[in-house]
Amino acid sequence: GDSVTQMEGPVTLSEEAFLTINCTYTATGYPSLFWYVQYPGEGLQLLLKATKADDKGSNKGFEATYRKETTSFHLEKGSVQVSDSAVYFCALPLYNQGGKLIFGQGTELSVKP
Amino acid sequence: NAGVTQTPKFQVLKTGQSMTLQCAQDMNHNSMYWYRQDPGMGLRLIYYSASEGTTDKGEVPNGYNVSRLNKREFSLRLESAAPSQTSVYFCASSVRGYYEQYFGPGTRLTVT
Repeated sequence: GDSVTQMEGPVTLSEEAFLTINCTYTATGYPSLFWYVQYPGEGLQLLLKATKADDKGSNKGFEATYRKETTSFHLEKGSVQVSDSAVYFCALPLYNQGGKLIFGQGTELSVKP
Repeated sequence: NAGVTQTPKFQVLKTGQSMTLQCAQDMNHNSMYWYRQDPGMGLRLIYYSASEGTTDKGEVPNGYNVSRLNKREFSLRLESAAPSQTSVYFCASSVRGYYEQYFGPGTRLTVT
């Protein structure tokens, strides 16, 4: 069945370091792919999306490219800030159950000054 | 636009009590969803409504009921709360299925 696998956390970085969070997927067809971010005590916010192969989603300095050949959608940021500390989820919609989102397990990022 | 709103933000119930969690969206979305988030279990779909007038079970529907009151509102009811229903509940909406979903701030429910 469809699934999403994320790199395990937690990840601790110093401010201005480069960030990569790996995400690979198994899917029927070619669904859209999403990255969500959850700040402490808050709901999930859509960070970026890509709707087809080779698309690059970007927002707030974060980027991810939809790679069909490697079934990956890795999240990157060139220079992280303390305010980026949060949990990041990779997700894809299922073509049943009304587009239910399948989430990765989440990667907790902590950025130290 | 307020996006997706949920009430209440926090709730404590005793075992056997009932309550309704409210969700509303002002984005004219067709589809709405209820998830619960538990440590180590990630987010799991409870119920969803693909369009006004329809509701369907997700992966963990037992102990819950839903009502799609109109296009804007989708409520989740616990008829007889159990400690296993202690969780954070999120409502979400999307233009339609398979599109990105937008989440509310969540309701933190504790059942003692």
